[in-house]
Amino acid sequence: AQTVTQSQPEMSVQEAETVTLSCTYDTSESDYYLFWYKQPPSRQMILVIRQEAYKQQNATENRFSVNFQKAAKSFSLKISDSQLGDAAMYFCAYESGGTSYGKLTFGQGTILTVHP
Amino acid sequence: DTGVSQDPRHKITKRGQNVTFRCDPISEHNRLYWYRQTLGQGPEFLTYFQNEAQLEKSRLLSDRFSAERPKGSFSTLEIQRTEQGDSAMYLCASSLAELAGYNEQFFGPGTRLTVL
Repeated sequence: AQTVTQSQPEMSVQEAETVTLSCTYDTSESDYYLFWYKQPPSRQMILVIRQEAYKQQNATENRFSVNFQKAAKSFSLKISDSQLGDAAMYFCAYESGGTSYGKLTFGQGTILTVHP
Repeated sequence: DTGVSQDPRHKITKRGQNVTFRCDPISEHNRLYWYRQTLGQGPEFLTYFQNEAQLEKSRLLSDRFSAERPKGSFSTLEIQRTEQGDSAMYLCASSLAELAGYNEQFFGPGTRLTVL
């Protein structure tokens, strides 16, 4: 079974600064997807960024980028130019590739606080 | 497109009572998922539907839990004889699976269940 671990229960950052959230995972599969989801307080979870395991290039979405280290099974999220609206719980998630039907395995989450 | 909706948003019940939650996915989505999220933790997969067929159930889904998706559109999750340990946020997500590979899941706002 796959596991996802987020070792930082809480992180904080000053507005306009950069912060990195950590995630490690364990799998014996070679074909999979990794995601970062954002869950603002009392609001629904939204996808921030995804990474296909077969792609060596790190994914980027505007101010969000990942550092995907496949051999180390590490998948960190970097948020640049942090904004107050980035404050939320962030979840790292794993999905098997191939014949997967889309079941997601989540980490425990990291609460991000953004200070003005 | 109105997104994934869930009803009710909050439910308070007494131990031993039955509760039912409803999820309305994005209209053309053929896959529907239920997850459970306890306070401070990441969501855990419960079950999955492809159209009206329930194709996977987690071991977390005891025999007190039953889910249906009768016409391949909305879904219901029923918990019989609720226990205090059932207190959690129940999340629904949907996706459109047309091709092999990744299909983004869109999450609803969740139903928060409190069992007294």
